[in-house]
This record gives sequence, structure tokens and C-alpha cells, in this order.
Amino acid sequence: GENVEQHPSTLSVQEGDSAVIKCTYSDSASNYFPWYKQELGKGPQLIIDIRSNVGEKKDQRIAVTLNKTAKHFSLHITETQPEDSAVYFCAALVRSSNTGKLIFGQGTTLQVKP
Amino acid sequence: DAGVIQSPRHEVTEMGQEVTLRCKPISGHNSLFWYRQTMMRGLELLIYFNNNVPIDDSGMPEDRFSAKMPNASFSTLKIQPSEPRDSAVYFCASSLPPIYEQYFGPGTRLTVT
Repeated sequence: GENVEQHPSTLSVQEGDSAVIKCTYSDSASNYFPWYKQELGKGPQLIIDIRSNVGEKKDQRIAVTLNKTAKHFSLHITETQPEDSAVYFCAALVRSSNTGKLIFGQGTTLQVKP
Repeated sequence: DAGVIQSPRHEVTEMGQEVTLRCKPISGHNSLFWYRQTMMRGLELLIYFNNNVPIDDSGMPEDRFSAKMPNASFSTLKIQPSEPRDSAVYFCASSLPPIYEQYFGPGTRLTVT
């Protein structure tokens, strides 16, 4: 079945350093890959996404890269700040007719130390 | 926009009782998703609807779980009878295909004692 693997499960960095989270997916037909940030007591919030027709997308301190051949994608956060501390989830879209569902990775708990 | 609205935010009930969780999707969104989140199993998709029709309910754990979407602005997830292992945070999300961004509600924390 469809599967998304996410690594690492926990990540601790010093403020100002970069953080990288990696995901692999199994469905070669997937063409949409979002990233979500979940703060304590809240629902996941979409922070950035990438579609299969591009290899990289950047939004200020956040960037995502996609390698469709290898079926993996990554989230890069530069100049990390304490408020970046949260759980991050990657996901891959599995399409069905004119709609689709997201398969989520297991999550990465990011801690940014001041 | 008010975003996805879920109620109640917290629910504590005793084993064997019926539990009903409610969701109002973002106005205009025609896909609605119910998820369950636990430490052990992470974020699991239970069921999703498109245009009020259930498309995939393969994630519904047992017959004790049922979901309905009587109209475009309301959905319920019901557990009857509830069991302690149903304790989790339940999220509702909505989207507007072919734009696949899903927007999550704040969740309902369910505790079954």
C-alpha cells in the first residue's frame, strides 16, 4: 500500500543552525507533497508544498526539494529560531478520480535551543 | 474565513457511551477528511468525503465508527460504543480539489475512561 517514511523522528539544533527533514514515498504516481507544522495543542498547519513539475521551492527561511526519480523530498529550515520548535509532518498525495488523500509521515519533533 | 470548526474541543466519556464529534469545513471546500492522531500510530486518515459522498473509509477501525456528511457544511464522526483505546485527538480537514491543500481544524481531544 501507499507509504511515507520520515526521518529523523527527533531533531535538536542550536538557534541559527539549519534543520533538514527527509521523506520517501512509495506511490510513483504521487504529484503533490505538502509539509505541515503542528504546535502543541493545535492542528497541523500547512507551511509549504511542492508539486512534481518543480524540483525546488523556497519561501523565506523554508525550502523544499523533490527528487521524483528517487522518490524522496526534503524540508530545509535555515537560520532556525525557537519558534520553529514543533512537530513537522511530510505527506504525499494519492489521487483517486478527481480527488485524493494525503498519506502522512510519522512526524519529526524539532527542538531549537536558544 | 473562520477556518475549519470542530466541536467539542474536549470530550471525556465513560466506556460504552456514544460519542459524536462535529465538523464544519471551510465554506466552498467540497472535500472533507477525518483523522485520528495518537502517539503510537501518528496521524491516520479514517475517512474522506467528496461532494458529501464517502470516497474512502478504509481507515475506519471498526464498525463502532461511523461518519456522515448530510450537507456541504457539516459532518459527524460517531463512535458507539466507545472504548478506552479510542482515546485520541480527532481532526477534521477540508480542501477544494483540484487544489489539494488541506486545512485542519483545531481537533477534538477524546478521553474514554
